[in-house]
Amino acid sequence: DAGVTQSPTHLIKTRGQQVTLRCSPKSGHDTVSWYQQALGQGPQFIFQYYEEEERQRGNFPDRFSGHQFPNYSSELNVNALLLGDSALYLCASSLMDNEQFFGPGTRLTVL
Amino acid sequence: AQSVTQPDIHITVSEGASLELRCNYSYGATPYLFWYVQSPGQGLQLLLKYFSGDTLVQGIKGFEAEFKRSQSSFNLRKPSVHWSDAAEYFCAPNFGNEKLTFGTGTRLTIIP
Repeated sequence: DAGVTQSPTHLIKTRGQQVTLRCSPKSGHDTVSWYQQALGQGPQFIFQYYEEEERQRGNFPDRFSGHQFPNYSSELNVNALLLGDSALYLCASSLMDNEQFFGPGTRLTVL
Repeated sequence: AQSVTQPDIHITVSEGASLELRCNYSYGATPYLFWYVQSPGQGLQLLLKYFSGDTLVQGIKGFEAEFKRSQSSFNLRKPSVHWSDAAEYFCAPNFGNEKLTFGTGTRLTIIP
């Protein structure tokens, strides 16, 4: 079992650009959640996808959007990047409401 | 309001010494409770979880945690720390809304 995988590992963008991050859930999991972890802080919930629908959303602007595919993989899109979007983006998968398993994250740097 | 507090930002212990990391929450019921560990530049690894039942739960790497309803606490313990335990530790309740709410974390430093 490969566990949760994320790509890319690192990404550097400039302000105003758009970025897409990808996540493949652990085998058998149907729910994907995304978190943003700024340097020195705990992860903050962005949103969660289940059955290809956004089930819940945290306190993030509409510039943050996502998608879940029929194979349960997911994408996180961020438009009009700001310097403050620089962070580690973590994907977690779970089976319904059970424990969440995290991927290694994507480190996004916005210059 | 639902919230979680990890009062200790940074803890330093000697290798072989015991460890206790504190976690308190505010919620009208008992949440699902989790402890995660994060090594530098890495993702999060689940150490242990509490859903219901026995209030002392055992996890991986020799960690345990005790749920105390009266104190709204879920403190993490280890009898004897190893240098490899140096990391950031996060308490993360699930307040019944399918998402995890993370504390600010406690950074653990181990000295020889």
